[in-house]
Amino acid sequence: DTGVSQDPRHKITKRGQNVTFRCDPISEHNRLYWYRQTLGQGPEFLTYFQNEAQLEKSRLLSDRFSAERPKGSFSTLEIQRTEQGDSAMYLCASSLAGLEEKLFFGSGTQLSVL
Amino acid sequence: AQKVTQAQTEISVVEKEDVTLDCVYETRDTTYYLFWYKQPPSGELVFLIRRNSFDEQNEISGRYSWNFQKSTSSFNFTITASQVVDSAVYFCALLTNAGKSTFGDGTTLTVKP
Repeated sequence: DTGVSQDPRHKITKRGQNVTFRCDPISEHNRLYWYRQTLGQGPEFLTYFQNEAQLEKSRLLSDRFSAERPKGSFSTLEIQRTEQGDSAMYLCASSLAGLEEKLFFGSGTQLSVL
Repeated sequence: AQKVTQAQTEISVVEKEDVTLDCVYETRDTTYYLFWYKQPPSGELVFLIRRNSFDEQNEISGRYSWNFQKSTSSFNFTITASQVVDSAVYFCALLTNAGKSTFGDGTTLTVKP
């Protein structure tokens, strides 16, 4: 069990550029979640997958955000035309399907939009 | 809609003191789970404890204990004999049938030597 890994750890970009983050969940976990966290706040739900199916997407999520999980393994989160308000820590978590399952989090990708 | 409120933004205690972190939740679901996670300075959230909505029995696990009261929608977490390594941000979270966890804004705990 190597845990949830996220890449990159840090990303600095200019406003208007596109960025893509990757998450590798724990191998036997079929659920994968993306959260966003800003300073002083708790993680805010963005979207989640069960296997390769994207089951829910936050209504707060702009159309500039898209996530994929091809083949039900790793996932990517892309932000197009980044804005300064997108600056945050992007967290990935995985779990086994089931209401009681705890989340295993990665270390996150810190995005700074200049 | 689900909501989790952690009224305490910051708590500071001296080592060996007991400390209780408060959590109040809102949901219309009858089946749900409550969690506490710890986020140390390194940044990675770590699961601590879990309780389902049908089990109000309070438990103790080492230095951790929790008090779940459905009547007041509260799920408080206590650390006994706090240690400097307990310094972190603690998050309460609610998981419902929707499949996503809703987090509170966290309580920053500082344990001074």
